[in-house]
Amino acid sequence: AQRVTQPEKLLSVFKGAPVELKCNYSYSGSPELFWYVQYSRQRLQLLLRHISRESIKGFTADLNKGETSFHLKKPFAQEEDSAMYYCALDQGAQKLVFGQGTRLTINP
Amino acid sequence: DSGVTQTPKHLITATGQRVTLRCSPRSGDLSVYWYQQSLDQGLQFLIHYYNGEERAKGNILERFSAQQFPDLHSELNLSSLELGDSALYFCASSPSPGQGYYGYTFGSGTRLTVV
Repeated sequence: AQRVTQPEKLLSVFKGAPVELKCNYSYSGSPELFWYVQYSRQRLQLLLRHISRESIKGFTADLNKGETSFHLKKPFAQEEDSAMYYCALDQGAQKLVFGQGTRLTINP
Repeated sequence: DSGVTQTPKHLITATGQRVTLRCSPRSGDLSVYWYQQSLDQGLQFLIHYYNGEERAKGNILERFSAQQFPDLHSELNLSSLELGDSALYFCASSPSPGQGYYGYTFGSGTRLTVV
């Protein structure tokens, strides 16, 4: 079955430290993976998608098909990065499957 | 506001009752998706409609049903409510099936509490 796993429910790092939010997936086809973010009292919104290979707000994510992973990384965390992060797998444009989410807290 | 609008924002009801959640997609979007977010289950996909037609079903209970109307708004009907149905219900929209370049546009959700 297609599944997205985010092993960490909570992650806390200090400002300026590197951040890595883990995401693993299981999917038989060619995956399209995304990271969504939900800041406090705001709506869920798209952060980045693997096919565009872009860096948004300093975050990057590389698809590793061998390890079936799509970890989200940022070299230097900022306080405004504190939010809930969801990894998501697009199953052929009909539905988007989300992981459980990781709550990231950046400590000053 | 041209984004996704969900009403009501909060709903408290008793077990066994029936409620209807409403979603108006972003202007121009033809696809509507419903998700349930609970503390222990995370974001669970329920159902997807595109231009009035059901396109995909996820973990949606038989007690739940949905539809999309000609004006493209969608309603999620939850019946014979149980305590475990208490959750945040999100609606999202996109121009076509799938996310397109900008991803889904999410509403702010309806918080349902069953007592």
